[in-house]
Amino acid sequence: AQSVAQPEDQVNVAEGNPLTVKCTYSVSGNPYLFWYVQYPNRGLQFLLKYITGDNLVKGSYGFEAEFNKSQTSFHLKKPSALVSDSALYFCAVRLYSSASKIIFGSGTRLSIRP
Amino acid sequence: DAGVIQSPRHEVTEMGQEVTLRCKPISGHDYLFWYRQTMMRGLELLIYFNNNVPIDDSGMPEDRFSAKMPNASFSTLKIQPSEPRDSAVYFCASSLARGSSYNEQFFGPGTRLTVL
Repeated sequence: AQSVAQPEDQVNVAEGNPLTVKCTYSVSGNPYLFWYVQYPNRGLQFLLKYITGDNLVKGSYGFEAEFNKSQTSFHLKKPSALVSDSALYFCAVRLYSSASKIIFGSGTRLSIRP
Repeated sequence: DAGVIQSPRHEVTEMGQEVTLRCKPISGHDYLFWYRQTMMRGLELLIYFNNNVPIDDSGMPEDRFSAKMPNASFSTLKIQPSEPRDSAVYFCASSLARGSSYNEQFFGPGTRLTVL
């Protein structure tokens, strides 16, 4: 079955330090992978996606993600965290052959302390 | 473009009442999705449409829930009768199945439903 897992409910990082939010997926076939961010009382916002090509994908607000096929992972990273990065982050996956339906992970709350 | 528009933003109703949530997708988008978000169950896909046609409603929890998309610029999610366990934030999202933003879903601000 197609699934996506975010093993950490919460990640705490000091401002200025690098951050990583983990995501692993399970699909048969080539995946489309996404990261979304949700700020309080707002809808989800698209950050970045991987479809094909370079395994390192750059997105909005200085975020990037690395696709690793052998480890079936798509971890979200940022070299230097900002307090304003504090939010709920969702990883999502879609099968190449499916009709636009994507499955979201359970979310990871990122907290950046000053 | 104003983005995905949802109304109302907040709805408080009593158990047994009918609730109608509304969504206007981004103009030109051909997919529309309804999600429900709760602390316990996270983000759940309820139903989605392609070119106004329902494609997958397997996430609709019960017959009390129904969704329609009478035209490309409007969709409704109706709960009748409502129950306290329906309390959640309901999101509408739309996407375009072509172009550089292929499959990126654009979310509305959500409707926070409270059923007393």
